Amino acid sequence: AQKITQTQPGMFVQEKEAVTLDCTYDTSDQSYGLFWYKQPSSGEMIFLIYQGSYDEQNATEGRYSLNFQKARKSANLVISASQLGDSAMYFCAMSSRRDDKIIFGKGTRLHILP
Amino acid sequence: EPEVTQTPSHQVTQMGQEVILRCVPISNHLYFYWYRQILGQKVEFLVSFYNNEISEKSEIFDDQFSVERPDGSNFTLKIRSTKLEDSAMYFCASSESSGSAYNEQFFGPGTRLTVL
Repeated sequence: AQKITQTQPGMFVQEKEAVTLDCTYDTSDQSYGLFWYKQPSSGEMIFLIYQGSYDEQNATEGRYSLNFQKARKSANLVISASQLGDSAMYFCAMSSRRDDKIIFGKGTRLHILP
Repeated sequence: EPEVTQTPSHQVTQMGQEVILRCVPISNHLYFYWYRQILGQKVEFLVSFYNNEISEKSEIFDDQFSVERPDGSNFTLKIRSTKLEDSAMYFCASSESSGSAYNEQFFGPGTRLTVL
């Protein structure tokens, strides 16, 4: 069975600092994808970044990058130069070739301090 | 940019009543999903739907739940007799394809269901 683990329930970071949100996963599938979603207080789910299990390079999208370490089964999200608007809940998630569904972790609530 | 829409944004209902949550997926998408998020908890998969059939459902999706695509644009989730524990945010999602590891699902803004 697939599983996503996010061990940081909450984090406080000073504005403009970089922040790393941890995510580890477990799967027996060889082909899978890893996602990060942002959920602001308004509740919607915003797709941030995707990493495929066969991608050799770490994914980047603007200020977001995904530190993918396949052997360790980790997919940490790095936000560079954090902004006040980054304050939100962040979910790590995965899908596999076999499954339609996306499995989510419990999330990390990020607070950016001015 | 195309987006998934959901109505209503907030629904309040009495326990035992039926509710229908509505979603309009992105127009060229073929795969549709419902997820649920109980307040303060993680997002949980409920059901996936393709070609007018349920392709997968979770253990949460019991006989009280049903899904339908009544026309070419809407995708609905019906809860037959709501319980207090059905109170949650319900997200609809759609994707262009499936069966691959890259299955980007576009999420709607959610419907917050409150059962009293």
